[in-house]
Amino acid sequence: GQQVMQIPQYQHVQEGEDFTTYCNSSTTLSNIQWYKQRPGGHPVFLIQLVKSGEVKKQKRLTFQFGEAKKNSSLHITATQTTDVGTYFCAGRGNQFYFGTGTSLTVIP
Amino acid sequence: DAGITQSPRHKVTETGTPVTLRCHQTENHRYMYWYRQDPGHGLRLIHYSYGVKDTDKGEVSDGYSVSRSKTEDFLLTLESATSSQTSVYFCAISEAGTAGNQPQHFGDGTRLSIL
Repeated sequence: GQQVMQIPQYQHVQEGEDFTTYCNSSTTLSNIQWYKQRPGGHPVFLIQLVKSGEVKKQKRLTFQFGEAKKNSSLHITATQTTDVGTYFCAGRGNQFYFGTGTSLTVIP
Repeated sequence: DAGITQSPRHKVTETGTPVTLRCHQTENHRYMYWYRQDPGHGLRLIHYSYGVKDTDKGEVSDGYSVSRSKTEDFLLTLESATSSQTSVYFCAISEAGTAGNQPQHFGDGTRLSIL
């Protein structure tokens, strides 16, 4: 079964509010990747984290990899309408799994 | 965007018929993957390939077979399509390494409907 779970499944925010999605694995992961999929589009790679406790930033996006390498988070500061889409984490345990995704709606 | 072409982009077919989806890449990447995407399940790996004639099963491989006779082409076959295989199918590629340790680049997807 699915080994990488994401919460929440859906999130609606007002433009300018912050947003966070969480990714949890039942097994230790060697890495974690994050992807964004715009409505009607295909997943696009955002970033990869490899080290325990690693934090990376891309403009308003902050990515964290947990100390135990079993969880990760993506935080968006001051959301914009261009942030709309579904965010997926993906990681390699005994196999490579994508998370279930968080669909973000930004209300102007 | 990476040079990945999926064909066809849309297909409607009947239960019990064979269906083949094609993924073609121009990047000379070693790894190629087939995923299906369904609401509430995210992306689930069907099969992947780590070289010509080298393939392995993913999470949801039952009912699907694959072939890779050339570096640039990865075919997904549904031998006898069922309605449960109605889905959006994505092909992805990644460079050398081990599966899942390199960024994956996705094609535009094939929307398959089985009636």
